[in-house]
Amino acid sequence: RKEVEQDPGPFNVPEGATVAFNCTYSNSASQSFFWYRQDCRKEPKLLMSVYSSGNEDGRFTAQLNRASQYISLLIRDSKLSDSATYLCAVTRGGGYNKLIFGAGTRLAVHP
Amino acid sequence: GAVVSQHPSWVICKSGTSVKIECRSLDFQATTMFWYRQFPKQSLMLMATSNEGSKATYEQGVEKDKFLINHASLTLSTLTVTSAHPEDSSFYICSAMTGGTINEKLFFGSGTQLSVL
Repeated sequence: RKEVEQDPGPFNVPEGATVAFNCTYSNSASQSFFWYRQDCRKEPKLLMSVYSSGNEDGRFTAQLNRASQYISLLIRDSKLSDSATYLCAVTRGGGYNKLIFGAGTRLAVHP
Repeated sequence: GAVVSQHPSWVICKSGTSVKIECRSLDFQATTMFWYRQFPKQSLMLMATSNEGSKATYEQGVEKDKFLINHASLTLSTLTVTSAHPEDSSFYICSAMTGGTINEKLFFGSGTQLSVL
């Protein structure tokens, strides 16, 4: 089983749509959780950290469910500029915080 | 924010040659750097953890003799792909950590696209 699994996508949505991405992780010892955005052939850029209490940053809302080992990202009012690949990332836990990425979900927002 | 410089951005080489990729933290000291590889339409796969002044720790399935990592200073880690072959063609990205825990203090280089002919 992969350490981090995501919806394969792609998601093709019109501008203004709400889209949700899901991610599960296998290591219950993981301590930190993130969503990254990656554009083609570029480095990933941190979108937001994910906390158990849930957190929101403008149109983006992230949730963590430790019991189910599940992370989600909600994007409201999608913009054309949101088109990218969204990666969830989880620290491996244990003695060293290595960041492990999911395979990513591609989002294409069309007019 | 902190800047990580990765060089070169692109490299094309013949099969059998070795390629060195540099990763520099420009405005902070990085005791730990990570090297990732990404094949088309796949995720970033952690290859190894590079610790300043000590041997790198490789992930399962990554050949340490194939991918040589040197972290000789607090601002520089290098990855050398030895005797590169077409299957080594990939996008390689480094990241550097500023603090003791990963959180938001992880910064990525811009990546190196390696094409082996």
